[in-house]
Amino acid sequence: GNSVTQMEGPVTLSEEAFLTINCTYTATGYPSLFWYVQYPGEGLQLLLKATKADDKGSNKGFEATYRKETTSFHLEKGSVQVSDSAVYFCALLNYGGATNKLIFGTGTLLAVQP
Amino acid sequence: DADVTQTPRNRITKTGKRIMLECSQTKGHDRMYWYRQDPGLGLRLIYYSFDVKDINKGEISDGYSVSRQAQAKFSLSLESAIPNQTALYFCATSDVGQGFGDEQFFGPGTRLTVL
Repeated sequence: GNSVTQMEGPVTLSEEAFLTINCTYTATGYPSLFWYVQYPGEGLQLLLKATKADDKGSNKGFEATYRKETTSFHLEKGSVQVSDSAVYFCALLNYGGATNKLIFGTGTLLAVQP
Repeated sequence: DADVTQTPRNRITKTGKRIMLECSQTKGHDRMYWYRQDPGLGLRLIYYSFDVKDINKGEISDGYSVSRQAQAKFSLSLESAIPNQTALYFCATSDVGQGFGDEQFFGPGTRLTVL
């Protein structure tokens, strides 16, 4: 079946540090991959996505590359800010026929300290 | 104004009570979803609906029911609430026919506590 595994948190960094949050997946076929972000007290928002192998999604300084050979979609940012503190969810969508169901990882809490 | 709204935002209830959580959207999307979020478990799909006449169970539908009153409204009911249904509940919507990479848009969540 389809599943997503992401690194457990919390991840605590100082401002301007480099961020990596690991995400690997298991899926049949060719899923689309997503990173969603949940800021405190809010719902999830799409951060970036990639729909095929070797695609790179990017937004707000965050990047992730769809690596089919390693079944990974790691999230990176070169210099984090306090405002990046949030929970980050990796997710996949295995688009097949009428289905459109996202499979989420367990989430990784990022805390950025000034 | 928010595109996806949920009411109430917070609710405390007692075991055995019937509870309804409501979701409304102004995005004009046909597809709507209910998820619950538990610490360490991420989000899990409860029910989803692809149009007004279509209702489907997700991975954890036991103890829940839904009603799609209109394209814009999708309600989740707990017929007899139990403590392990204490969680954060999210409604989401998505459009049809965008192929790969369909984005889901989430409401702000309802925090439900069952005592």
